[in-house]
This record gives sequence, C-alpha cells and structure tokens, in this order.
Amino acid sequence: QAGLTQPPSVSKGLRQTATLTCTGNSYDVGHQGAAWLQQHQGHPPKLLSYRNNDRPSGISERFSASRSGNTASLTITGLQPEDEADYYCSAWDTSLTAWVFGGGTKLTVL
Amino acid sequence: QVQLQESGPGLVKPSETLSLTCTVSGGSMTSSYWSWIRQPAGKGLEWIGRIYPSGSTNYSPSLKDRVTMSLDTSRNQFSLSLTSVTAADTATYYCAKVDYHDIRHAFDVWGQGTMVTVSS
Repeated sequence: QAGLTQPPSVSKGLRQTATLTCTGNSYDVGHQGAAWLQQHQGHPPKLLSYRNNDRPSGISERFSASRSGNTASLTITGLQPEDEADYYCSAWDTSLTAWVFGGGTKLTVL
Repeated sequence: QVQLQESGPGLVKPSETLSLTCTVSGGSMTSSYWSWIRQPAGKGLEWIGRIYPSGSTNYSPSLKDRVTMSLDTSRNQFSLSLTSVTAADTATYYCAKVDYHDIRHAFDVWGQGTMVTVSS
C-alpha cells in the first residue's frame, strides 16, 4: 500500500522554527492536501491541521500548514519543549480509495 | 463534543478473529464517517477502513480480505472484525471520525486506543 513520505526525525533548538515535510503524489497530497496530526508518547494522535491548512479550535498559531504541489509542510515556530512529539501527515488517496499516512517525523527540541 | 471509546479483548489467539467496538458519545453518528486505525508499538499509523452511517464501507487494500466493519446507530456504536489474525496484527487500535460534510476532511476526534496482542 502506498504511503506518504516524511523524514524520520528532525531536531531543532528551543524557540527555533521547524518545518516538517510530507511528500505524496497527485492522487493524495496533490489532489486535496494533507492533514497533520501530533502524537505524544502514550497518547492518541491529535489533529493539528485540516487538509485545507485550517487549524482546529484550540490549536496554537505557532502551527501552520501549507502545500506546494505534491508536498505538504507543517511549520512550527517558537519551538517549546511540549512540541517534542511524533508528527504524522494523512491524505485521502483517490486511486486507492483509502486514507494513507506518512511514516511520521519524530521532532526533538534541543 | 464527540468522544470515542474503544473496547474489546486485549488478547487474541493466532488464526482467530479480533473484534472491537467503538462507542460514540456526545453527538450523533449521522454526519460523520467512522474509521479504524492501528499502530504497532513504536511504528506509524495504518488506516484499516471506514464506515458511513448508511453502512457503506471502504477498506484498506492490504486488509480488505480480512476486515469487516459494521455499525449500530441506535446504540451509537461501530465495530471492527479482523479475521485470521497473526502476530503482525498486534497493535494499538484506534477509532476516529471524519465529518464528511466538512470539506476540510480530517480525523478530528480519536479514541484513546486499545492495545491488542495476538499470541497463543
């Protein structure tokens, strides 16, 4: 089953900016964008951004999503210790008629 | 605010059927579709399938031969059945919802997850 491609890990310093990427194809990310999820160890995933890059209510403005072609990005500004987590992108694949996820990026805040 | 809660056996024997239920509270089942997603320990998320309030389903191509989903809107529950399980099916299983009227389309509510181990 095809999936989305994310870098396994990203490390950035406190108060810096991290940009996480998610690459798919014209049937998934390129078709209607990707949603982003945050998962802390031992907890369920939490929605950070909808496919159109809107933030759900209660999500900090430090999290912003964008898309260019088949690649979606999540930018986190002013990194805080609590931002250390795994981040997943997800998209609907119109060719598979299935949701697909990225393998996840582990963000470390130094 | 909709909340989801998974329930079911934590241990299933190889070759048997894994059965889980997700109970929906705080909202109606009629404006969302409902999915199962799993995550092996230390690994990423894998979508299993979805079911609409009408009962229409879509399943992961890699699991479709072993998966059946059903729902009971009168009890505010939907269920997962996965047959012929092996150790590779050991994972935390989550239920999640997508509001299909919302074009932004994302898994906006998740259950806490239930860990299922396949072992004899």
